[in-house]
Parts: sequence; structure tokens; C-alpha cells
Amino acid sequence: DGGITQSPKYLFRKEGQNVTLSCEQNLNHDAMYWYRQDPGQGLRLIYYSQIVNDFQKGDIAEGYSVSREKKESFPLTVTSAQKNPTAFYLCASSSRQGADSPLHFGNGTRLTVT
Amino acid sequence: ILNVEQSPQSLHVQEGDSTNFTCSFPSSNFYALHWYRWETAKSPEALFVMTLNGDEKKKGRISATLNTKEGYSYLYIKGSQPEDSATYLCASNFGNEKLTFGTGTRLTIIP
Repeated sequence: DGGITQSPKYLFRKEGQNVTLSCEQNLNHDAMYWYRQDPGQGLRLIYYSQIVNDFQKGDIAEGYSVSREKKESFPLTVTSAQKNPTAFYLCASSSRQGADSPLHFGNGTRLTVT
Repeated sequence: ILNVEQSPQSLHVQEGDSTNFTCSFPSSNFYALHWYRWETAKSPEALFVMTLNGDEKKKGRISATLNTKEGYSYLYIKGSQPEDSATYLCASNFGNEKLTFGTGTRLTIIP
């Protein structure tokens, strides 16, 4: 079945450590996205990528980094510079980067930093 | 940043009753409006993407309408069932830019 796989489901890290969240899709989608969810807030865009080797900052990119070396993969690194990294992270993809293209989401990774 | 607002924040509905909730967005430079259903322990699932003023879409017992001139969309659920319990997210674009999500309406169906 085609879909988006995020791993791990739960992740625990000590403050000051970088951590990388995995996102893989086999939908052959061009565009991929990372969102963050915090209680009482809508999903907020961290980074997005329209094609391989290209990505753009979203609304809350500070303290995060991404790469897009393969079409299928869009890993997110939460660096020690991110002040409030504990959150639920969702990866998504769409067949093209256009406003009318629906997003397909993974199941998310819950990151806890202590 | 574009402001997308959803109301109510949460809703309890008796099984079999119909219900609706609202998504509001700035009407200027509108491009598209998305609705997603997010069930607990699952990933959000796209319900509808609408782009035209007056657009109405239907999927089984769920339907949505769009008014781009006044900046709102309604989601309707007819004859609610327990499996409709979920958080319903709407999202909109400013121009053809990235989606901005509302905070969602959490729907609980009471058997």
C-alpha cells in the first residue's frame, strides 16, 4: 500500500542533543512538508520541499533543518537551537506543490525533550 | 500569517443527529480551502479541497460548502455515527502559497 511512514512513533532526547525524524513516502509525490502540532494550536509549517535538492522555510523553521536528497525521503533534524522542541511532528506529501492538491499525512512522531 | 479560525472548538452530538461547523478565513486572495478528518491514533485524511465560490462537495454523509466572498466554509455531517468522532481540520491558502491550518473542531458522537 502506498503511504507515508514516519519513524519512530515516540522519541525521547536530552536537552542539547540533535535528533532526526524520518519521513519516507512511496506515493511518488513531488512535494513534502513538515508540520508541528502543539496543544491548542493549528498545524504549523516548519519546512517544505517541492522537488529533490530544494526546500523552503515555513513559518517556524528556526532551530530545524531538512534535506531532500531523494524524492522519497524528507528527514527533519531538530537541533539544540530549537527552544521548545517537545511537540508532535507530522510529515505530509502532495502530488504537486499547489493550493488545490490535498495533503497525505504520516502517523506522526511525538518528540519529548527533557 | 493568514488566520484560519474554526468553531466550535469542540462539539458533542447524539448519534443519529446531524451537525455542522464552521471554518472562517480571509476572503482576499483566496485560492483553496481544505477539510481534513483526524481520528485518534491515525493520520489526518483529506475530505475535500474546494476552490470555487459556491462550491459544494459531498462524500457519503459528509458535505461541505464554500463562500469565498465572505470567507467561510461549512462542514455538515448528516445522521452522525460513532465513527464520525474525530477532529476536523480546515486549511486555506493565501494566494498559491502554503496552507494555513485552523485549530480544528473536535467532534464526539454520543451513542
